[in-house]
Amino acid sequence: DAGVIQSPRHEVTEMGQEVTLRCKPISGHDYLFWYRQTMMRGLELLIYFNNNVPIDDSGMPEDRFSAKMPNASFSTLKIQPSEPRDSAVYFCASSLVGLRGAQYFGPGTRLLVL
Amino acid sequence: AQSVTQLDSQVPVFEEAPVELRCNYSSSVSVYLFWYVQYPNQGLQLLLKYLSGSTLVKGINGFEAEFNKSQTSFHLRKPSVHISDTAEYFCAVSVLQGAQKLVFGQGTRLTINP
Repeated sequence: DAGVIQSPRHEVTEMGQEVTLRCKPISGHDYLFWYRQTMMRGLELLIYFNNNVPIDDSGMPEDRFSAKMPNASFSTLKIQPSEPRDSAVYFCASSLVGLRGAQYFGPGTRLLVL
Repeated sequence: AQSVTQLDSQVPVFEEAPVELRCNYSSSVSVYLFWYVQYPNQGLQLLLKYLSGSTLVKGINGFEAEFNKSQTSFHLRKPSVHISDTAEYFCAVSVLQGAQKLVFGQGTRLTINP
């Protein structure tokens, strides 16, 4: 298996622009998680899905952030409009109920908002 | 709710020396326990996990961890470290029943000096 795939790996954009991050989970996994990692705040869970349905979005910082999972093999995290404080590494992870919590992470997208 | 405390934010050791990274957790229900490793500019990789059974669990790269229920600890150890072990290490817990969500500690940066 190719593991969790994220694109792009790096994104540089200007304040106010829309940013879309993409994730392809491991085939067969039924949970998908979006995280954000910064030096100041560490690793934060933004939102997670089960069987393509959002279960908990309490970590989404504000309305500028939205996430979708139209099917079992694809999810997006969108920031509109982006701000410099959104600069971070965004990780996607997937899991399976039988794994009892073990999650498999993608390589991350490093976002820089100027 | 669950919480995880990693007692050391940074641990410097010399190559071939033993190392212990400390992790304590708090939970009113039984949990599963995990250690993840993050090499520079990479995603998190599962190092080892405790689900049940023997309290001493072995993981990849020669690491092991011991679950101590009475002390609510799950310390990570390696008898002899290598330069390649330089990374950030995260302890995490998930509850036995319910969501697959992980609660992470703040991380411990392990630096190996030659």
